Amino acid sequence: DTGVSQDPRHKITKRGQNVTFRCDPISEHNRLYWYRQTLGQGPEFLTYFQNEAQLEKSRLLSDRFSAERPKGSFSTLEIQRTEQGDSAMYLCASTPWAGQETQYFGPGTRLLVL
Amino acid sequence: QKEVEQNSGPLSVPEGAIASLNCTYSDRGSQSFFWYRQYSGKSPELIMSIYSNGDKEDGRFTAQLNKASQYVSLLIRDSQPSDSATYLCAVIKGSQGNLIFGKGTKLSVKP
Repeated sequence: DTGVSQDPRHKITKRGQNVTFRCDPISEHNRLYWYRQTLGQGPEFLTYFQNEAQLEKSRLLSDRFSAERPKGSFSTLEIQRTEQGDSAMYLCASTPWAGQETQYFGPGTRLLVL
Repeated sequence: QKEVEQNSGPLSVPEGAIASLNCTYSDRGSQSFFWYRQYSGKSPELIMSIYSNGDKEDGRFTAQLNKASQYVSLLIRDSQPSDSATYLCAVIKGSQGNLIFGKGTKLSVKP
């Protein structure tokens, strides 16, 4: 597989439940980014990792959101106590190294909170 | 003022025509510029990147950058119905490298 993969592709949950998404970047890509996209808007930056280190978090990432990238490989994004406003497409992207700026996006995880 | 602005459209062009998509950005520190194509329900797909003033051509696509005017555009020649999608303009302005996107312009190419 030569692309970024994300799992699951779709998730329907009830308000108040916790959800976790996974992103597998392109092999040996050091940087991994998470974005959120709502209908009619462009993707918005959430957070990024350089290897296993989380270097930046957007103010959009409330305390209910947490992201990890153990061992600098795959990453998970967890949303606790989901709210209807969390309904969105969650996108993951990776780049080979800092300074190589082209980002390759995964297929996204579409979350619907009822 | 939003950091990256695009006309949301829809922009409708006939098949075979040139589609012109425009984008302005507010931060003069922006250093890298990208056009992504996004089909409905899919993730963004990179079309072009441009880093210096002038034109950059790739097949039917030409990106134009004017840093003095803080303006970047995408021209699609010989537009095809398969080009119908939302086109997202994005910039990078800092070392962290995250993309800042506009809202996108929806393009419709009519057969």
